[in-house]
Amino acid sequence: SQTIHQWPATLVQPVGSPLSLECTVEGTSNPNLYWYRQAAGRGLQLLFYSVGIGQISSEVPQNLSASRPQDRQFILSSKKLLLSDSGFYLCAWSRDSEKLFFGSGTQLSVL
Amino acid sequence: GDSVTQMEGPVTLSEEAFLTINCTYTATGYPSLFWYVQYPGEGLQLLLKATKADDKGSNKGFEATYRKETTSFHLEKGSVQVSDSAVYFCALTIGTSYDKVIFGPGTSLSVIP
Repeated sequence: SQTIHQWPATLVQPVGSPLSLECTVEGTSNPNLYWYRQAAGRGLQLLFYSVGIGQISSEVPQNLSASRPQDRQFILSSKKLLLSDSGFYLCAWSRDSEKLFFGSGTQLSVL
Repeated sequence: GDSVTQMEGPVTLSEEAFLTINCTYTATGYPSLFWYVQYPGEGLQLLLKATKADDKGSNKGFEATYRKETTSFHLEKGSVQVSDSAVYFCALTIGTSYDKVIFGPGTSLSVIP
């Protein structure tokens, strides 16, 4: 069966520090991969999606970036975090089906 | 553009009460519609879906019917339990491209004993 792993579960980082969140999928190949952000009291915002290795599409301009170095690995990064980057980050995948499978999320607090 | 609107929360109900969470959408094509649920501290899980007009999605006692004439996909449950306390998201996709799932803002539900 397919599983998705996302880590860390929680992270507290100072403003201006770098960020790296990692997501891996098991049990499938060539998935579509996604990064979403859920700010407090707000809905889900799609940040990035990827349909293949090295292929990244950005939905919103920001100081975050994403990379897909391997088929089932998706990384969310920042060189310098802002206060506004705080939120709950969710990785998800889909493949040939009409639903998304979500990871358990990372709660990021930028102080 | 395509969008999803949900009723504002939080919603607080007593156990065994009837639940309705309203969802309406705007879409240029023929969307598939979904309800996702997020339990505290977790990611989202698909609750139910409907892919065409008049389809009814159902799961775990929850139901929603795809109403094209009113562009709605309201979530209902006849008798809620404490374990149903969660945030519920209505969502849509257009066609078969899943690079863009549009979510509503979510509705928080608290069920008290």
